[in-house]
Amino acid sequence: GQSLEQPSEVTAVEGAIVQINCTYQTSGFYGLSWYQQHDGGAPTFLSYNALDGLEETGRFSSFLSRSDSYGYLLLQELQMKDSASYFCAVREDSNYQLIWGAGTKLIIKP
Amino acid sequence: ETGVTQTPRHLVMGMTNKKSLKCEQHLGHNAMYWYKQSAKKPLELMFVYNFKEQTENNSVPSRFSPECPNSSHLFLHLHTLQPEDSALYLCASSQDPSGGVYEQYFGPGTRLTVT
Repeated sequence: GQSLEQPSEVTAVEGAIVQINCTYQTSGFYGLSWYQQHDGGAPTFLSYNALDGLEETGRFSSFLSRSDSYGYLLLQELQMKDSASYFCAVREDSNYQLIWGAGTKLIIKP
Repeated sequence: ETGVTQTPRHLVMGMTNKKSLKCEQHLGHNAMYWYKQSAKKPLELMFVYNFKEQTENNSVPSRFSPECPNSSHLFLHLHTLQPEDSALYLCASSQDPSGGVYEQYFGPGTRLTVT
């Protein structure tokens, strides 16, 4: 079956670096996305990786290894405003659907 | 208005009521989605519309009925719901994913409570 696995909760200290992992098992693969959702808010897009390697956007980076069915989101110089839930999602084929992980709640301590 | 809007933001309804959720996107996208979000669970895709045509219905109970009159508007009609249907209902839109980076834009959601 289709599944995405990510940790349910991660705790880190302000100013530190944190990595949120995602492993997936899907029948096909077009790309891996990451979304951020603050409590009470809507999910917002962070990144999309279709090819292996690291993509950097400011303090956030996303990595993909298709051979390992694995990716991660790296957050650097953590700020209190980064406290949120982070979801990985796989685009499995050429249609419009995404398969979602259950989300990782990131708790940042001062 | 910009982005994706949803109304109402909060809704409390009894099991015998009929209500509708509304979604509007101002981004010129051709695909729209309804998702159900329950605590600590993956987002559940309910319906997908592409150019007003329903392309996916992921085994959603018939008490949920979608309507897409044009590519900018999407409705979710609700009737005889159950308490387990209480959740956050999210609307999203996207452009044709064939162009490379695939991004969905979400509305703020409707928090539904069924009593």
